[in-house]
Amino acid sequence: GEDVEQSLFLSVREGDSSVINCTYTDSSSTYLYWYKQEPGAGLQLLTYIFSNMDMKQDQRLTVLLNKKDKHLSLRIADTQTGDSAIYFCARSGSGTGRRALTFGSGTRLQVQP
Amino acid sequence: DGGITQSPKYLFRKEGQNVTLSCEQNLNHDAMYWYRQDPGQGLRLIYYSQIVNDFQKGDIAEGYSVSREKKESFPLTVTSAQKNPTAFYLCASSMYGGGYNEQFFGPGTRLTVL
Repeated sequence: GEDVEQSLFLSVREGDSSVINCTYTDSSSTYLYWYKQEPGAGLQLLTYIFSNMDMKQDQRLTVLLNKKDKHLSLRIADTQTGDSAIYFCARSGSGTGRRALTFGSGTRLQVQP
Repeated sequence: DGGITQSPKYLFRKEGQNVTLSCEQNLNHDAMYWYRQDPGQGLRLIYYSQIVNDFQKGDIAEGYSVSREKKESFPLTVTSAQKNPTAFYLCASSMYGGGYNEQFFGPGTRLTVL
């Protein structure tokens, strides 16, 4: 299977919570990241979590990390139409030789008014 | 303002032609990266450079070439050997060193082969 996997699509109603899930295979990653991509644009870092943490909260965003199951999730509270975008999960490279991130395929979040 | 610029935003190329995509950063970052994005797929690493005058192949380097003569610049050439070059190309940069590796992305270049 793929190194980092995400479901492709999620649809929610405005005001609801959104939960975007990600699984990964390489447990040596030190950091895990969530990026947001709006149509036709580059990626913007939303938040990250260090591998020795279980949870991180940043305003409307909550990241949960289950190291045993290699599962990462991003919860967006009170989802707004402006949150409609593609969300990418990424993990840091293993070892010191490769610094590039490994990305999942992205989850397209559609927020309905 | 600090950031990464990519030019042009849209690029059209005839089959058999080489084309160069520009990427410049003024963030004083050591490392720079090129990714390719296809519809419904994640970002795939083409090349990366951790320091001036040095670069490494990524996962899909065939048909591409890069140079890193200056810290600020990391141009990508899509050669005629690349079989399916139509895609969205993203450049990124980051500080080098330490475990945290936040990458800053440019706005992207959409390349279409006619």
